[in-house]
Amino acid sequence: DQQVKQNSPSLSVQEGRISILNCDYTNSMFDYFLWYKKYPAEGPTFLISISSIKDKNEDGRFTVFLNKSAKHLSLHIVPSQPGDSAVYFCAAISIQGGSEKLVFGKGTKLTVNP
Amino acid sequence: DAGVTQSPTHLIKTRGQQVTLRCSPKSGHDTVSWYQQALGQGPQFIFQYYEEEERQRGNFPDRFSGHQFPNYSSELNVNALLLGDSALYLCASSEAGFEFYNEQFFGPGTRLTVL
Repeated sequence: DQQVKQNSPSLSVQEGRISILNCDYTNSMFDYFLWYKKYPAEGPTFLISISSIKDKNEDGRFTVFLNKSAKHLSLHIVPSQPGDSAVYFCAAISIQGGSEKLVFGKGTKLTVNP
Repeated sequence: DAGVTQSPTHLIKTRGQQVTLRCSPKSGHDTVSWYQQALGQGPQFIFQYYEEEERQRGNFPDRFSGHQFPNYSSELNVNALLLGDSALYLCASSEAGFEFYNEQFFGPGTRLTVL
């Protein structure tokens, strides 16, 4: 049973436009939601996170929105740049008993065309 | 700061063999988590080590075992390898935090191929 779902395997956008990556989850016990970016032959790199008690977090060109009632979050990248081309993973974390277990979606491959 | 390092980079084994993967955490980090990323999938949590103890475990069989050393480095051992164990194995390190989320930093991974 997949608790974190990214239903779009790929997304292609033009440079300078907005990229919107979506993620749905099923477990209402998640405390934090995170986005990771992964380039080939590298490990995932943390991008931005949001606490379950907030609905928006912004960091430069990256904004994450959380809709708890819909169990949905999205990552907005504005403006998109060719260097943003990577696989983006949505992840969630539930802090239980002091341990922090990340649950990942399958990822969305973003291609930003010049 | 070297960040999280993993060795080896690539590994080829045959079914039934045993393998050991190694991870050195980022400086200042004391918690190590291991993930398996199969082709086309997101990373899946295997287990987490803190203070040389396994703190939490994902849905992986006992063939997967680990160890954390006093210097916080860690090993992942997989016994009786199956073809389905072929994957990228990622190590992530963080600082222990019992009340707050702490960012996990990932290494580049070890690509294991089982023939």
